[in-house]
Amino acid sequence: DGGITQSPKYLFRKEGQNVTLSCEQNLNHDAMYWYRQDPGQGLRLIYYSQIVNDFQKGDIAEGYSVSREKKESFPLTVTSAQKNPTAFYLCASSPSGDRTDTQYFGPGTRLTVL
Amino acid sequence: DAKTTQPNSMESNEEEPVHLPCNHSTISGTDYIHWYRQLPSQGPEYVIHGLTSNVNNRMASLAIAEDRKSSTLILHRATLRDAAVYYCILIGYQTGANNLFFGTGTRLTVIP
Repeated sequence: DGGITQSPKYLFRKEGQNVTLSCEQNLNHDAMYWYRQDPGQGLRLIYYSQIVNDFQKGDIAEGYSVSREKKESFPLTVTSAQKNPTAFYLCASSPSGDRTDTQYFGPGTRLTVL
Repeated sequence: DAKTTQPNSMESNEEEPVHLPCNHSTISGTDYIHWYRQLPSQGPEYVIHGLTSNVNNRMASLAIAEDRKSSTLILHRATLRDAAVYYCILIGYQTGANNLFFGTGTRLTVIP
């Protein structure tokens, strides 16, 4: 089955630790996205990648880093510089990043900082 | 950046039509209007999108105003499974980090 997988579903982190969230897709999509969602809020874009080895910062990139070494993988690292990382993180992909594209979302990772 | 405004919440009776409005007064001529919906603790799912003409698919219809400054998502017969947060977003030619804004959406409650 084609789709997007995110792991883990739940993640707990101690303050001061870096943590990496996994996102994998087998849809052969070029574009991939990371969003953050806080309770009762909409989605805010963290990073966007339209192609391998290229990515752009979104509105709230501070304290986060990404890599895009393979087409199917777009991991997000939450660093200790992110002051309030507790949130629901969503990864998405789309065929090319074109304005007519449909974005396909993963099930999300809920990160809690202890 | 083109942004959208939506009511925070709406209610509908089951099996009745629902009209979810979205205002986008700063839309540019090349922006597509997309709708997604999100169930609790899940990722959003695509509903429909359009540019100028009204659009229909198996999930819903999209009615776009002639001046494109507003649009309406129409669910023809609401079911309990349609209870979700609905997001209206604009995506333009310069697709990228500056053009992806989901806002807070409209929370639809369906009353049995």
